[in-house]
Amino acid sequence: AQSVAQPEDQVNVAEGNPLTVKCTYSVSGNPYLFWYVQYPNRGLQFLLKYITGDNLVKGSYGFEAEFNKSQTSFHLKKPSALVSDSALYFCAVRDRDSGNTPLVFGKGTRLSVIA
Amino acid sequence: SQTIHQWPATLVQPVGSPLSLECTVEGTSNPNLYWYRQAAGRGLQLLFYSVGIGQISSEVPQNLSASRPQDRQFILSSKKLLLSDSGFYLCAWSVRRAIYEGYTFGSGTRLTVV
Repeated sequence: AQSVAQPEDQVNVAEGNPLTVKCTYSVSGNPYLFWYVQYPNRGLQFLLKYITGDNLVKGSYGFEAEFNKSQTSFHLKKPSALVSDSALYFCAVRDRDSGNTPLVFGKGTRLSVIA
Repeated sequence: SQTIHQWPATLVQPVGSPLSLECTVEGTSNPNLYWYRQAAGRGLQLLFYSVGIGQISSEVPQNLSASRPQDRQFILSSKKLLLSDSGFYLCAWSVRRAIYEGYTFGSGTRLTVV
């Protein structure tokens, strides 16, 4: 079975400070991992993904995420937060050996960047 | 380039009325298609997904149904809406068999059942 956990419902950070949004996953084999962002009343937008290779993945809007197999984590990070980064963030996972089954999404973490 | 269209953007319907939400994808063939519901701006609930015309997998049994009459068209329906059907409905597509790819989401439909 596949699952993903986002342990924080809400993350607050001051503008200019680094931010981290946490994600841990569980799959039987090796994972494909994704981060999405959702602004109010909008669909989800793709930020970045880990397929294989370098554990540090760089994505849109200055975000990056580090794949840590031993800790089964894929935390989203940004060195300097902007007020415009305030949004709802979703982590998603799929087991590479799961065939065509849908992605499993976390419950989302609301990021609030305070000026 | 590929685009996904979802309409209407907002909908207010009385309890007991029917529902039809439509999603179409352009610029690709044989996509996987998905319907999600999001309640109160939080987590996503997968309702239905389809890997081909007429092939629908239901994840949550309820008074909603889905159909895929054409390759790039996915329709979410209900015969009689309940108050609990209110929410934000999202359609998404992905490349078939490219399981390393993620999803592209539509802009969503805000449904309020009154």
